[in-house]
Amino acid sequence: DIQMTQSPSSLSASVGDRVTITCQASQDISNYLNWYQLKPGKAPKLLIYGASNLEAGVPSRFSGGGSGTDFSFTISSLQPEDIATYYCQQYDTLPRGATFGPGTKVDIK
Amino acid sequence: QVQLVQSGAEVKKPGASVKVSCKASGYTFTNYYMHWVRQAPGQGLEWMGIINPSAGSTSYAQKLQGRVTMTTDTSTSTVYMELSSLRSEDTAVYYCARDLFLIPAASYAFDIWGQGTMVTVSS
Repeated sequence: DIQMTQSPSSLSASVGDRVTITCQASQDISNYLNWYQLKPGKAPKLLIYGASNLEAGVPSRFSGGGSGTDFSFTISSLQPEDIATYYCQQYDTLPRGATFGPGTKVDIK
Repeated sequence: QVQLVQSGAEVKKPGASVKVSCKASGYTFTNYYMHWVRQAPGQGLEWMGIINPSAGSTSYAQKLQGRVTMTTDTSTSTVYMELSSLRSEDTAVYYCARDLFLIPAASYAFDIWGQGTMVTVSS
């Protein structure tokens, strides 16, 4: 099975800072990589799909990149409402399906 | 508007079964795959499986094979997820989530989510 790692597991940054999270797959997953934002008590929100495509309605300060095994997710200017846990998620061929990374918790310094 | 509304919280004893519903509205139900994802307390997200709401065809995470069943009722635009032989480790919030792409493509990107259903397994 494909394993996903994320780093860092948590980070603290100031409002306006550029924040980058990385996600690594244990084998080549092409661009089958999505990013979600999860806030306590709320359903996850899709931010990026296909590694670099911004979901409709998502602010342009969010971006994603990478392919193969190494991916990145960036918030260009951190805002207070961005406090959340961010998950990468890969898609493998059936029957393996989808796997999420362990998450990165983002806080305001 | 496009939304998924799930059934309410459940408390079950170990060994029992639970069935969670997810009613879709605001779009053509049969045009998009539906997935189920769960999150145990303090843990990450876990994909459980996928169902074609029109054909009823399914594929489940290997870890849950034999215990999970996903079904669909096109007359009410509702999908169901039943989990049997419940154990304490199944305590989690269960979400239905719509696939981003139109059938037959499956993106495995989940753009619309239900509000979540808390299932507690406790003796």
